[in-house]
Amino acid sequence: GIQVEQSPPDLILQEGANSTLRCNFSDSVNNLQWFHQNPWGQLINLFYIPSGTKQNGRLSATTVATERYSLLYISSSQTTDSGVYFCAVERVTNSGYSTLTFGKGTMLLVSP
Amino acid sequence: EPEVTQTPSHQVTQMGQEVILRCVPISNHLYFYWYRQILGQKVEFLVSFYNNEISEKSEIFDDQFSVERPDGSNFTLKIRSTKLEDSAMYFCASSEVQGQEDQPQHFGDGTRLSIL
Repeated sequence: GIQVEQSPPDLILQEGANSTLRCNFSDSVNNLQWFHQNPWGQLINLFYIPSGTKQNGRLSATTVATERYSLLYISSSQTTDSGVYFCAVERVTNSGYSTLTFGKGTMLLVSP
Repeated sequence: EPEVTQTPSHQVTQMGQEVILRCVPISNHLYFYWYRQILGQKVEFLVSFYNNEISEKSEIFDDQFSVERPDGSNFTLKIRSTKLEDSAMYFCASSEVQGQEDQPQHFGDGTRLSIL
């Protein structure tokens, strides 16, 4: 199956710093989503970004589908940004249905 | 904004018992999914459901598991003869269509299942 690799696995930042999280995938995909898992375990959808660039406040994401990677940018980080960030890719199988394959995540800790 | 709703938020069950996890997908969505996340690990696909039948399932989804859409709104995951290793967070998701732009999977808040 498709492989999804995220880097770095862990990241510690001072509040106010910027960061870039990376997601590499091993095959072509139909779609890609970025999630933030908060300390309560909820998966918060950040971006749905099969290609191109999107921005939402201090967060932005870019997917270069032809080179099989996506980047999540966090600017002016805040302590509430702490948690695990997951990349998930969607592929349509031979049977015509699709599933999401998740990476192992990047655990981000933003300290005051 | 419409949401996927999961109940209960936390379920504690004795090993060997059966458990049913419940989900109410977004009303106009046609595709439904269950995912599992063992503590500290990544989220894994279990099963997808469309047109009242399973469309895809992973190796994890063995005979111990079953899914059902008993009425027009609920989507359930049943786990029979629960084992300690079934302890995990279970997420339900739904989507309107598949494989098209601007049609992401929407996730519920999860049910944390603890097997004692």
